[in-house]
Amino acid sequence: EAQVTQNPRYLITVTGKKLTVTCSQNMNHEYMSWYRQDPGLGLRQIYYSMNVEVTDKGDVPEGYKVSRKEKRNFPLILESPSPNQTSLYFCASSFGTGNSPLHFGNGTRLTVT
Amino acid sequence: LAKTTQPISMDSYEGQEVNITCSHNNIATNDYITWYQQFPSQGPRFIIQGYKTKVTNEVASLFIPADRKSSTLSLPRVSLSDTAVYYCLSREYGNKLVFGAGTILRVKS
Repeated sequence: EAQVTQNPRYLITVTGKKLTVTCSQNMNHEYMSWYRQDPGLGLRQIYYSMNVEVTDKGDVPEGYKVSRKEKRNFPLILESPSPNQTSLYFCASSFGTGNSPLHFGNGTRLTVT
Repeated sequence: LAKTTQPISMDSYEGQEVNITCSHNNIATNDYITWYQQFPSQGPRFIIQGYKTKVTNEVASLFIPADRKSSTLSLPRVSLSDTAVYYCLSREYGNKLVFGAGTILRVKS
């Protein structure tokens, strides 16, 4: 089954403790991206990647890192999480770029205390 | 700076047609307009996409005027299962994507 898989689904952590949220897709998509979803603000893009070893900042990249060492994986790294990063995070992928429909994972709910 | 604006919420009754309009004031010349639907505890899923005029699929229609600064998602004869959040999406520049804040559609019986 074609899908985007994020792990974990839920994560509670403390301020400053480094964490990684994994994202993997099995559709051989070139484009992958991360979003955070907050009430009243919709989906905001954090980082995106056009292909392996190519990453770019989205609208809200501060406090996050990403890497794209393999085509299928695009982990989101929070080196020193803070409470304002408490949010619902989504990973998405698509063929090519821009106009190709995005396929989303089921989300990771992160709470930073 | 691109900005994608849509109504915060809409209410409807079963069987009615629902139209949700989105404005995208700085859409790129060659960019498509895309709409997504999101249910609780799930990621958004693609509904429909278009470049200009009208596009129709088995789920919805999308109307885009000639100036392409707005688009209208039309859901014919909604049912309770259409209660969801609907997002429109445009592209700011390059491959940086800008979603609207989402429209909460509540369908009542």
